[in-house]
Amino acid sequence: RKEVEQDPGPFNVPEGATVAFNCTYSNSASQSFFWYRQDCRKEPKLLMSVYSSGNEDGRFTAQLNRASQYISLLIRDSKLSDSATYLCVAGYSSASKIIFGSGTRLSIRP
Amino acid sequence: ETGVTQSPTHLIKTRGQQVTLRCSSQSGHNTVSWYQQALGQGPQFIFQYYREEENGRGNFPPRFSGLQFPNYSSELNVNALELDDSALYLCASSIETSGATRNTGELFFGEGSRLTVL
Repeated sequence: RKEVEQDPGPFNVPEGATVAFNCTYSNSASQSFFWYRQDCRKEPKLLMSVYSSGNEDGRFTAQLNRASQYISLLIRDSKLSDSATYLCVAGYSSASKIIFGSGTRLSIRP
Repeated sequence: ETGVTQSPTHLIKTRGQQVTLRCSSQSGHNTVSWYQQALGQGPQFIFQYYREEENGRGNFPPRFSGLQFPNYSSELNVNALELDDSALYLCASSIETSGATRNTGELFFGEGSRLTVL
């Protein structure tokens, strides 16, 4: 079983739609959580950190459920420029490593 | 621009050869992590270097090794290359604190070195 699992998609949604991604992690020792964005043939870049209380950054909302070991990302009013692969990430301080999921591909159509 | 630079950007090797990939971390960052990303997959953690020592390792065989230098730059070495080693190799720098618990905070990635093994 992978340490971080995501639905690979692809998600193909119209511009302006709301889209949600889910992710689960297997190691309860995980202490930090992130969503990264990766454009085609580019390096991953941090989209947002994920906090237990949930956090919002403009059109993006991230949630963490430690009991269920579940992370989510909600994108509202999607734009064409949101088309990318979204990577769910869990960090383990005890092992000093950050583990990426396989990514969920999102394609926004006009 | 993250300030993390990797070289070479592209290279082609044959099975059995050895390769060295290089990474210069962002100024002020003391930690370098290396990832392997195959086509259509997420980055797979290879190892992390902190203060010139390997600080964590993923599920990769010993033929994957690395170094970190006093200026925090790093090398990834892969011996006895196999066809499945063909991938994008990403270096990421970050700031980690010392002590019993280290933070696993934001990673700043370079653009990667794309390795093709024939």
